[in-house]
Amino acid sequence: VLTQSPGVLSLSPGERATLSCRASQSVFTNYLTWYQQKPGQAPRLLIYAASNRAAGIPDRFSGSGSGTDFTLTISNLEPEDFGVYYCQQYDGSYTFGQGTKLEI
Amino acid sequence: QVQLQQWDAGLLKPSETLSLTCGVNGSSLSGYSWSWIRQSPGKGLEWIGEINDSGTSRYNPSLQSRVTISVDTSKTQFSLRMNSVTAADTAVYYCARIRTRGRRFFDLWGRGTLLTVSS
Repeated sequence: VLTQSPGVLSLSPGERATLSCRASQSVFTNYLTWYQQKPGQAPRLLIYAASNRAAGIPDRFSGSGSGTDFTLTISNLEPEDFGVYYCQQYDGSYTFGQGTKLEI
Repeated sequence: QVQLQQWDAGLLKPSETLSLTCGVNGSSLSGYSWSWIRQSPGKGLEWIGEINDSGTSRYNPSLQSRVTISVDTSKTQFSLRMNSVTAADTAVYYCARIRTRGRRFFDLWGRGTLLTVSS
């Protein structure tokens, strides 16, 4: 089980967002991924293998963590960063966290 | 540019069978695995299953008795079949490409298609 916190995060442009993803069991770092989803759209890959930005993702997005605790940090928030952020893990099956809604 | 094309799922009645197809445009199926994921308000994002380019499939244990994923390499498409649908299967269904090779994540998604199950 992946538990994300907070459920809702309200911040202003220019601020830093820190999103948490906690796993009930240890997750292999290579198998921890972050996605962003905007209303009416499919999720978009942001970070894979816990800390690697996907192609085209701005460097204000960064991922860190290991074991059971992982963090997505968005520095210097832009208005287009609103949306819901999900973490996902693989242990032979894929599971997603319940999401953190980022309100700008 | 590789894109995943999905067609509408529409409306089904309880006990009917869902059939969805995902077209892979701009790429062959080789070298990747391909997946179906659904999203409902009640259960969030849920992995349904996957199939690799050799045709080997794996499924979410909670759905495997009702689900079949197949691939048509000649048409660069893969498909989902789910029988005996109920209202609990109402969701947006996404197809996605899986990056493997030491990592496991969905790097490309279709736009999604809404399935409504109602009598």
